[in-house]
Amino acid sequence: KAGVTQTPRYLIKTRGQQVTLSCSPISGHRSVSWYQQTPGQGLQFLFEYFSETQRNKGNFPGRFSGRQFSNSRSEMNVSTLELGDSALYLCASSLDTLNTEAFFGQGTRLTVV
Amino acid sequence: KQEVTQIPAALSVPEGENLVLNCSFTDSAIYNLQWFRQDPGKGLTSLLLIQSSQREQTSGRLNASLDKSSGRSTLYIAASQPGDSATYLCAVRNSNYQLIWGAGTKLIIKP
Repeated sequence: KAGVTQTPRYLIKTRGQQVTLSCSPISGHRSVSWYQQTPGQGLQFLFEYFSETQRNKGNFPGRFSGRQFSNSRSEMNVSTLELGDSALYLCASSLDTLNTEAFFGQGTRLTVV
Repeated sequence: KQEVTQIPAALSVPEGENLVLNCSFTDSAIYNLQWFRQDPGKGLTSLLLIQSSQREQTSGRLNASLDKSSGRSTLYIAASQPGDSATYLCAVRNSNYQLIWGAGTKLIIKP
């Protein structure tokens, strides 16, 4: 069965631009979460979507937003990019409850110059 | 506020040794704890999931234990191999659906 697919794998953007990242979860999984990983801060929670609804959001500015479609695919958008947004963005897919295992994609490496 | 700590931050051992990685958390109100490995520049691979009601889980040479009351989990790797070299992360899932992460242990297995 196919795993979690994130596209694109690598991105280079300029400060001030915006970017959209995509995540396709494992078939049948309805929960998608997004995490940012940086060397200084480690892994930090961005937000979680379930059945097209955002259930929870981490402590990130409003420039970070997301959405989930009816097929459970999710997108994350970052507007007005800053140098500090350079990171590995990881998407996790879970069935639907609190007790299920999270599976991660390979991530999107975003570099802001 | 939940905090997750992993000790040691780095570990280097000769091939063939058994080893233990530690993970501690401050709030015992968790739903589960999951261990992952991450290879350089790659995503996260799930190793083991322990529900809050469980004490341990095993997969091949890996065994993870959970003591919720003391806020501790250990990942035991038997007969280590160079291919086990990676960063190992533990994460606890809280009632807000999010995973709270440790900083990881970077493991190097020397041939």
